[in-house]
Amino acid sequence: NAGVTQTPKFQVLKTGQSMTLQCAQDMNHNSMYWYRQDPGMGLRLIYYSASEGTTDKGEVPNGYNVSRLNKREFSLRLESAAPSQTSVYFCASKEQGLFNSPLHFGNGTRLTVT
Amino acid sequence: GNSVTQMEGPVTLSEEAFLTINCTYTATGYPSLFWYVQYPGEGLQLLLKATKADDKGSNKGFEATYRKETTSFHLEKGSVQVSDSAVYFCALRSMDSNYQLIWGAGTKLIIKP
Repeated sequence: NAGVTQTPKFQVLKTGQSMTLQCAQDMNHNSMYWYRQDPGMGLRLIYYSASEGTTDKGEVPNGYNVSRLNKREFSLRLESAAPSQTSVYFCASKEQGLFNSPLHFGNGTRLTVT
Repeated sequence: GNSVTQMEGPVTLSEEAFLTINCTYTATGYPSLFWYVQYPGEGLQLLLKATKADDKGSNKGFEATYRKETTSFHLEKGSVQVSDSAVYFCALRSMDSNYQLIWGAGTKLIIKP
């Protein structure tokens, strides 16, 4: 079982460049999430998608866009990267409607913006 | 608003030592509480959870008890192993946070043989 797969694992961008982080899950989950992880700050929610066709802003959405391409895939786009977006990005999925069901995480994408 | 506070790390212990990682929370109502673990180079995975006061979550020798009176959910293990070296995150979920997880900053645990 692959679970949640994120690509790429590492990326270096120059300020102003754009890129898309890809995420796919094979667990038939309705809900998908994008987080960023910064030292000493835990995880912060960027965007989430409760179901196919819907997306909502999280705590730190500025500078990002998302697309829920289908039930499996949820991508995160940086249109014009900034050094403040240097971080580790995690995609996660969850069964919808089960309040306490766990989040399943990918292994992360480490992004550096110079 | 809701928040989670964890003890700062890193926490360094010898193998077979007793572990406590403190977690306290601020929330209205009755949140559900979680511990997630992140092994090096991996994503987070659920370690244990508790959904109501006085519940005890347990898994892989780790335990945590939901204490509403002290708003705490401390993680404990009686005898740690080198393989327990990881970053541990405390989190809560409640109606007030629109059912999204609110995360602590994480505590890095280092176990020396």
